[in-house]
Amino acid sequence: DIQMTQSPSSLSASVGDRVTVTCRANQNINYYLNWYQQRPGKAPKLLIYTASSLQSGVPSRFSGSGSGTEFTLTVSSLQPEDFATYYCQQSFSPPYTFGQGTKLGIK
Amino acid sequence: QVQLVESGGGLVTPGGSLRLTCAASGFKFSDYYMSWIRQAPGKGLEWLSYISSSGGTIHYADSVEGRFFISRDNAKNSLYLQMNSLRPEDTAMYYCARELPVVPSTYDYWGQGTLATVSS
Repeated sequence: DIQMTQSPSSLSASVGDRVTVTCRANQNINYYLNWYQQRPGKAPKLLIYTASSLQSGVPSRFSGSGSGTEFTLTVSSLQPEDFATYYCQQSFSPPYTFGQGTKLGIK
Repeated sequence: QVQLVESGGGLVTPGGSLRLTCAASGFKFSDYYMSWIRQAPGKGLEWLSYISSSGGTIHYADSVEGRFFISRDNAKNSLYLQMNSLRPEDTAMYYCARELPVVPSTYDYWGQGTLATVSS
């Protein structure tokens, strides 16, 4: 199975900050990497697919980059509704594993 | 608008069974691959299974292979997950999710989830 590791596991930031979350795969997954946002008590929401493609309706302050084994999710200017947990997920081969999550909290 | 509504969760004793249903609306269900994904309380996401649009291709995670069975009825716009030989570690919120048509195993719509609790 492909193992996905996110860092950090949690971070605190303020409204307006720029934040970056990293996701590493333990083998090459090309660009088959997705990012989801999950707010408490809600289902995950797709933000970014194939490493850098912005899902329809997602604000442009979210961006993704990377290929191979290392990927990043960047939020350029945090808004109050962005405080949530973020998950990466590889769609390269089954089982389609997720990272352990990064909880973004308010400083 | 696209809607996915799960049902069928509940409390079951270890070794028991549950059948989850995901009712789809707002899109042509028969055109899309579908998946089940779960989340144990306070934990991360775990992909469980997918089924192709026709139902002819199915894949399972090792953790549920041989115990869980995915199926669909395109005439009823419904996806199912039959869960047998349930264990306490199967306690989780179970989500159905639609796959992006051009990017396999990428989930653009999720249901609200149904909670399955396995406990004596």
